[in-house]
Amino acid sequence: SFALTQPPSVSVSPGQTARITCSGDALSRQYACWYQQKTGQAPVLVIRKDSERPSGIPERFSGSSSGKSVTLTISGVQAEDEADYHCQSADSGLSSIFGGGTRLTVL
Amino acid sequence: QLHLQESGPGLVKPSETLSLTCTVSGGSISDMSYYWGWLRQPPGKGLEWIGSIQYSGSTYYNPSLKSRVIISLDTPKNQLSLKVTSVTAADTGVYYCARADGDAVAGIMYDPWGQGTLVTVSS
Repeated sequence: SFALTQPPSVSVSPGQTARITCSGDALSRQYACWYQQKTGQAPVLVIRKDSERPSGIPERFSGSSSGKSVTLTISGVQAEDEADYHCQSADSGLSSIFGGGTRLTVL
Repeated sequence: QLHLQESGPGLVKPSETLSLTCTVSGGSISDMSYYWGWLRQPPGKGLEWIGSIQYSGSTYYNPSLKSRVIISLDTPKNQLSLKVTSVTAADTGVYYCARADGDAVAGIMYDPWGQGTLVTVSS
């Protein structure tokens, strides 16, 4: 079956680097995206096609892929980066699936 | 700048039909470069893809919801709609519409999203 797995939570201090992973068999052959969702707000695309950063997204956000996992890296974490982060990939055709989401806490 | 806005009843009774509309402004839903999706998020949980529709009217649904979901376009009004039949408490959550791009080969992404609308299923 096609499923994406994320850790429920990650905590970092301001200025440190946060890494959030997403794993699943299909990630070895499908691109992934990452969305940031602040409390009470709609998700915002921060990484597409594993590692592309849309315009307007700060350079401290980056993405990478290796085998059956993808990683969202936030360098020099700021208080404003505290949010839920969701990975998403394609199944077949135009079908999509999401990971369970990871809560990033800035200590 | 593209803007999406969901609207519809915030309370639906069990076994009835949930109906939502997404109004698109700043762009056309007939733009062949993109398609449109509905997604939802139960309280305190992750995101779930409900389904997508292309400008041609072709639809793609989450297999777990396929038997209860209908997505359609109203081109003159620049709107897309969602209907979920026979709802239960498990259908409670925030419902989002979003513009979609790509496919299983190129990668699928949703950007931008509407602000979302909370639907509660309760008697």
